Amino acid sequence: NAGVTQTPKFRVLKTGQSMTLLCAQDMNHEYMYWYRQDPGMGLRLIHYSVGEGTTAKGEVPDGYNVSRLKKQNFLLGLESAAPSQTSVYFCASRYTYRDGNTEAFFGQGTRLTVV
Amino acid sequence: AQSVTQLDSQVPVFEEAPVELRCNYSSSVSVYLFWYVQYPNQGLQLLLKYLSGSTLVKGINGFEAEFNKSQTSFHLRKPSVHISDTAEYFCAVSALNTGGFKTIFGAGTRLFVKA
Repeated sequence: NAGVTQTPKFRVLKTGQSMTLLCAQDMNHEYMYWYRQDPGMGLRLIHYSVGEGTTAKGEVPDGYNVSRLKKQNFLLGLESAAPSQTSVYFCASRYTYRDGNTEAFFGQGTRLTVV
Repeated sequence: AQSVTQLDSQVPVFEEAPVELRCNYSSSVSVYLFWYVQYPNQGLQLLLKYLSGSTLVKGINGFEAEFNKSQTSFHLRKPSVHISDTAEYFCAVSALNTGGFKTIFGAGTRLFVKA
């Protein structure tokens, strides 16, 4: 079982470059989330999606775009990278069972450095 | 809107001593509450969760947490810690927003267990 897979695991960008982070889940989950983790600030929600074709803004959406064209994939894009976007990015997917039980599953993270 | 506050950024404790990591939240709607643990250079692992029912929930690795609705708290406890519990711990609250379920994390508490 792959679970939640993020690619790439590491990346160094120059200021102004663009890139896309891919999150893939094989659990048929409806909800998917992108977070960034910075020292002393915990995880902050960038964007999330409640299903294929839908996206919504989180706490810190500026400078990022997302797409959910397929249920299993949630893409995070940086159109023009800035040093302030240096961070560790985590993707998560979430499932809610019929009895109301719910659990989120996290990827291993992508360490992005913008120089 | 929802928010999460972890009251201690760092908690040093001696091995075999008890520990409590504090978490307070605010939300205008019903919430689900979670505690996650993150070991260095790894993703997040679910420790325990409160969805409904009994306010005392037990998780993995001997941790437990108590949901207190009147104090809007969800403190994490362990009666006797081990060196291997050294990690960063995140409290999270999930609530239904207009855009779907949004999960917000606290800034984290770094637990240091000393011999």
